[in-house]
Amino acid sequence: EVQLVESGGGVVKPGGSLRLSCAASGFTLSSYSMNWVRQAPGKGLEWVSSISRSSSDKHYADSVKGRFTISRDNAEKSLFLQMNSLRAEDTAVYFCARKPADGGENYYYYMDVWGKGTTVTVSS
Amino acid sequence: DIQMTQSPSTLSASVGDRVTITCRASQSISSWLAWYQQKPGKAPNLLIYKASSLESGVPSRFSGSGSGTEFTLTISSLLPDDFATYYCQQFDSWPLTFGQGTNVEIK
Repeated sequence: EVQLVESGGGVVKPGGSLRLSCAASGFTLSSYSMNWVRQAPGKGLEWVSSISRSSSDKHYADSVKGRFTISRDNAEKSLFLQMNSLRAEDTAVYFCARKPADGGENYYYYMDVWGKGTTVTVSS
Repeated sequence: DIQMTQSPSTLSASVGDRVTITCRASQSISSWLAWYQQKPGKAPNLLIYKASSLESGVPSRFSGSGSGTEFTLTISSLLPDDFATYYCQQFDSWPLTFGQGTNVEIK
């Protein structure tokens, strides 16, 4: 079964850091580019960051650029999101999501497989 | 950034109704559009990609159309399982952007 499982969420104070992980199973992670998408409480979906399958290309939303870093370890079948300088507005459920193989490494960034999400709360 | 605007924000409908949701892009995105369904407390689920291609396993009552700046998601005959929030997403250019969502509720 193709599956993504996020972990690492929690409660953190403003200015703090968290590292989210996403474990992939049922498919070969190294063959897919990946994404992080978040959803603030009661709000819509917001794209956060994407990474190509070789890690050669990374993209970030302006709202997190310079504070968040996406990375991956294909051998460990894991995707990561290092979140620094956290703000109250970063409070959300964070989903990792797979980009289909369609379009190769750098095109067609829609999302065909999603994890269940991990909750990040930034509060003093 | 490309802005995606969905209408309506809320749609009240009955089982059996034909439902259409519109998504407009602030500039042309060709056919680089996806539609997702999300139920409360769950992850989104891909329905349609490249504007009109039905994702494997998605019922045929869902269909997508459009190109350029205007797109529609149609549910031909609403079932109880279809009451949910629907999002469009453009993948023409960075940053990726989603519409604000359309909540399909029971009339």
